[in-house]
Amino acid sequence: GDSVTQMEGPVTLSEEACLTINCTYTATGYPSLFWYVQYPGEGLQLLLKATKADDKGSNKGFEATYRKETTSFHLEKGSVQVSDSAVYFCALRSPYSGGSNYKLTFGKGTLLTVNP
Amino acid sequence: GAVVSQHPSWVICKSGTSVKIECRSLDFQATTMFWYRQFPKQSLMLMATSNEGSKATYEQGVEKDKFLINHASLTLSTLTVTSAHPEDSSFYICSARALLDRAEQYFGPGTRLTVT
Repeated sequence: GDSVTQMEGPVTLSEEACLTINCTYTATGYPSLFWYVQYPGEGLQLLLKATKADDKGSNKGFEATYRKETTSFHLEKGSVQVSDSAVYFCALRSPYSGGSNYKLTFGKGTLLTVNP
Repeated sequence: GAVVSQHPSWVICKSGTSVKIECRSLDFQATTMFWYRQFPKQSLMLMATSNEGSKATYEQGVEKDKFLINHASLTLSTLTVTSAHPEDSSFYICSARALLDRAEQYFGPGTRLTVT
């Protein structure tokens, strides 16, 4: 079945440091890939997505590129801020989970803490 | 826009009692709502998918008689944990898929359930 593996945290960085959170997946066909962010006390929010190979999703300075050859979708940011402290989830949606469902498969989440 | 609320945000109940959790889409109509369970340091595990006006579809291993889901309108779905036990203690998160933006899921802030 579909699965998502992302690097375990917690990750602690200083402000303005570079961030990479690795994410790899296993799926049949060509899934859509997502990064969600969960700020303390809030629900998950879509951060960025990519729907086909070589697509790059980007938002709020974060970016991730859909790499079919390595089945990866690593999240990167060149300079993190304290406000980026949150839990980040990598997820996929199988092309076969359409119809009325559009089910998502999530990784375990990575807690990022950015210190001033 | 696209706000999903959950109520209550946290609840403590005694073993053997039932507890109901509400999930509402506040500013959009949701054809489909999803219920997830999240254990500490674990991923979100999809429990069931509910479509307005029809029976919920449960994931393998989820007891449908224990986790009752009702999706009575396009803006409200409820999850009732019946005869709760301490092992049901968890963080329950709902998401809603908009009628007009069928690929996107919007997440609620979650409900922390503690069964004593």
